[in-house]
Amino acid sequence: KQEVTQIPAALSVPEGENLVLNCSFTDSAIYNLQWFRQDPGKGLTSLLLIQSSQREQTSGRLNASLDKSSGRSTLYIAASQPGDSATYLCAVINNYGQNFVFGPGTRLSVLP
Amino acid sequence: DAGVTQSPTHLIKTRGQHVTLRCSPISGHKSVSWYQQVLGQGPQFIFQYYEKEERGRGNFPDRFSARQFPNYSSELNVNALLLGDSALYLCASSHGRNTEAFFGQGTRLTVV
Repeated sequence: KQEVTQIPAALSVPEGENLVLNCSFTDSAIYNLQWFRQDPGKGLTSLLLIQSSQREQTSGRLNASLDKSSGRSTLYIAASQPGDSATYLCAVINNYGQNFVFGPGTRLSVLP
Repeated sequence: DAGVTQSPTHLIKTRGQHVTLRCSPISGHKSVSWYQQVLGQGPQFIFQYYEKEERGRGNFPDRFSARQFPNYSSELNVNALLLGDSALYLCASSHGRNTEAFFGQGTRLTVV
C-alpha cells in the first residue's frame, strides 16, 4: 500500500529565504507526482506535475524534482514571499491505480 | 475558462440525513474524482469516474455513492450521515490519468 509522508509538518521562515519541502513515498512504481497548494478552508491549487519519466519541473519561483528510485520529491521555493503562506501537499498516482495518494502536507508561514 | 465548480460551498445537515454534492468539471475533461479531507489531514480518495463509468473506489462505506452524467458532471451522495462525515469534500477533474488534475473549491459539510 502506497504511503506518502511530508517533512517538515510545519515551517516558518522570514521573507526572502529560499526553502525546500520534502515528500517521500514508499512504492516507487508511480505514474506521476503532483504538488498542490491549499489555503485555509479552500480547495487545492495545482502547482507542478512531474510525470514518472521526468526528473524535474519548473514554474516561476518553484522547482520540483523527482527521484523515483529513492521515493523522494522536493519542492524548492525561491525568494519566499508572505503570499506563499499556505499548506503544500504532494500526491502520487501509482502505476496500478487511478487516484491520488496524498501526503499530510507541510504548513508554510512566510513572515514579513 | 471556468475551473472545476462545486456546489453547494457550505452545508449543515443533521445525523441520519442524506446529502448530495455536485461537481462540474473543466470543459473537455472526462475524468472526475471525489476526495474527503478531514481537518489537518491530506485528502482521502472516495471515487473516480471516467467516461461515466466508475474506475476506482476508496475505502469508504456503502453509504457513499456517486455517478457521472453524460455531460461529465458528477454527484456524490452520502446516506445516513454520521458526525464523522463532517469534512471538506473535494472534486477533481482531468483529461485522463497522465494529465494534470485540477480541484474545485470544495464543499464544507458539517453534520450536527
